[in-house]
Amino acid sequence: EAQVTQNPRYLITVTGKKLTVTCSQNMNHEYMSWYRQDPGLGLRQIYYSMNVEVTDKGDVPEGYKVSRKEKRNFPLILESPSPNQTSLYFCASSLGGVRVGETQYFGPGTRLLVL
Amino acid sequence: DQQVKQNSPSLSVQEGRISILNCDYTNSMFDYFLWYKKYPAEGPTFLISISSIKDKNEDGRFTVFLNKSAKHLSLHIVPSQPGDSAVYFCAASVDQAGTALIFGKGTTLSVSS
Repeated sequence: EAQVTQNPRYLITVTGKKLTVTCSQNMNHEYMSWYRQDPGLGLRQIYYSMNVEVTDKGDVPEGYKVSRKEKRNFPLILESPSPNQTSLYFCASSLGGVRVGETQYFGPGTRLLVL
Repeated sequence: DQQVKQNSPSLSVQEGRISILNCDYTNSMFDYFLWYKKYPAEGPTFLISISSIKDKNEDGRFTVFLNKSAKHLSLHIVPSQPGDSAVYFCAASVDQAGTALIFGKGTTLSVSS
């Protein structure tokens, strides 16, 4: 089954404790992206990647890192989480950019609470 | 400053009637737009898109209209069904590669039977 998986689905952590949210897709997609969803703010893009070793900042990259060492994986790293990073995070992938008609598939989301 | 705006946080419609969800954008350089639908506890799913070379795109019950001069787009759902109840996000593709997206805040649609 074609899918985007994220782990963990739920995470409670404390300020300053490094964490990684994994994202994996099994569709051989080149494009992957991370978003956060906050009440009243909608979805905001954090980072995206057009291919292995190619990443770029989205709207809200501060406090986050990503890596793309393999095509299928795109982990989101919070080196020193803070309470303002409490949010619902979505990973997404598509074969190419959305303008060429490629459908972007989203993962189920990771709900993060930083105390 | 928000570049993609969905000014109605919620919309309630009766089953069988038309749902119209609106979206405004501020940057006239934006030329590709998408609508996504999101159910609770799930990730968003792509619904329909439109390029600025068109003013209308249809897919079954869903039609998106684009008014470039007004920097406005709308999603029409006809007829509305209870299963359409979800949050709808409007998004603009802000680069030619289609990799950077700016989303609106979303509109929650409730369709009652």
